[in-house]
Amino acid sequence: AQSVAQPEDQVNVAEGNPLTVKCTYSVSGNPYLFWYVQYPNRGLQFLLKYITGDNLVKGSYGFEAEFNKSQTSFHLKKPSALVSDSALYFCAVRDIKAAGNKLTFGGGTRVLVKP
Amino acid sequence: ETGVTQTPRHLVMGMTNKKSLKCEQHLGHNAMYWYKQSAKKPLELMFVYNFKEQTENNSVPSRFSPECPNSSHLFLHLHTLQPEDSALYLCASSPPGGNEQYFGPGTRLTVT
Repeated sequence: AQSVAQPEDQVNVAEGNPLTVKCTYSVSGNPYLFWYVQYPNRGLQFLLKYITGDNLVKGSYGFEAEFNKSQTSFHLKKPSALVSDSALYFCAVRDIKAAGNKLTFGGGTRVLVKP
Repeated sequence: ETGVTQTPRHLVMGMTNKKSLKCEQHLGHNAMYWYKQSAKKPLELMFVYNFKEQTENNSVPSRFSPECPNSSHLFLHLHTLQPEDSALYLCASSPPGGNEQYFGPGTRLTVT
């Protein structure tokens, strides 16, 4: 079984400050990990993924995430948040041992960046 | 834009109506998915199709009936829905051997 937890329903940050959105996962094998962002009245947009290799992954719009196997975490980060980063963020995991390509999503974290 | 389109974008239907949602992609992807997104609930995977064959049905009620005539098109046929079925229905696709999924904009469904 695979699962994802996003412990914060909402994160508030001032524009220009660092942004962190937390994600922890559980899989029986090794994970593929993803971050998606959803703007109002839109579908999910892919931000970045970790498959293998360097634990620090860089993605779209200046976002990055760090894979930490010992802590089973994949936190999303941005050094300097913009008001336009306000959106709903989803972490997702896929167990590479699992058949098919089913993703399991976390419950989402709403990010509010204030000017 | 991700290259995955969904129609209609908004749909209001009564509990006795029959309607269909359509999803289309011309990205060369071989897998397509239906998700349900309700307020304050995690994204729920409903159905998965690989090369037109259904590979996953996540205990979805029979009032939702998927159809995948080819790798580019996916439908969700709806009949005798309940008000609790009101949600955003998202379609996604993924390429052969790929891991990330590409989502459409969704259909906002309201059942009255």
